[in-house]
Amino acid sequence: DAGVIQSPRHEVTEMGQEVTLRCKPISGHNSLFWYRQTMMRGLELLIYFNNNVPIDDSGMPEDRFSAKMPNASFSTLKIQPSEPRDSAVYFCASSLQGGSLSGELFFGEGSRLTVL
Amino acid sequence: DQQVKQNSPSLSVQEGRISILNCDYTNSMFDYFLWYKKYPAEGPTFLISISSIKDKNEDGRFTVFLNKSAKHLSLHIVPSQPGDSAVYFCAASGDTDKLIFGTGTRLQVFP
Repeated sequence: DAGVIQSPRHEVTEMGQEVTLRCKPISGHNSLFWYRQTMMRGLELLIYFNNNVPIDDSGMPEDRFSAKMPNASFSTLKIQPSEPRDSAVYFCASSLQGGSLSGELFFGEGSRLTVL
Repeated sequence: DQQVKQNSPSLSVQEGRISILNCDYTNSMFDYFLWYKKYPAEGPTFLISISSIKDKNEDGRFTVFLNKSAKHLSLHIVPSQPGDSAVYFCAASGDTDKLIFGTGTRLQVFP
């Protein structure tokens, strides 16, 4: 079975450029999460969706970050304009949840972003 | 404000010995706790979990202990194997569906 699929795996860009990260969750999962991994803060939750609706975006660092989930099988995380401090590994995860959390998250392999 | 804390960034253990990874949390509303394991260039994978109604959960070589009064949980791996070398993340959730992760502990098991 296909797991969570993220693209690109690696992205190197220059400061000021727009970056779009993509995620395809596991089919049938109804929750999708975007995390960012840094040395200092570990895995930070940026935003999560339930049934394609954004539920909590309190972790989105600033207005330069935006996320969408137009349908159950696709989500994007966009950074515009990008800055060197955005360099990190961005993970997408999905799960099948109902009410309280009882299911584990399934993570993609991550997108490593480097902003020069 | 880090609600889930892993104060040891790294741990080195000899093969065959016990590895103990620790995690503290501050939010008393958390009622479900998980450990994830992450190898380089891969996403984290689920390892073991525990509900707040229990104080221990065991799965093979892995045991998680929960001390609610101290807001502390630990993961025990015994015996440790070289393949256990990875970064271990503690995570917690409460009345919402989101998982809050710690900063991770890098475990190295040497022969």
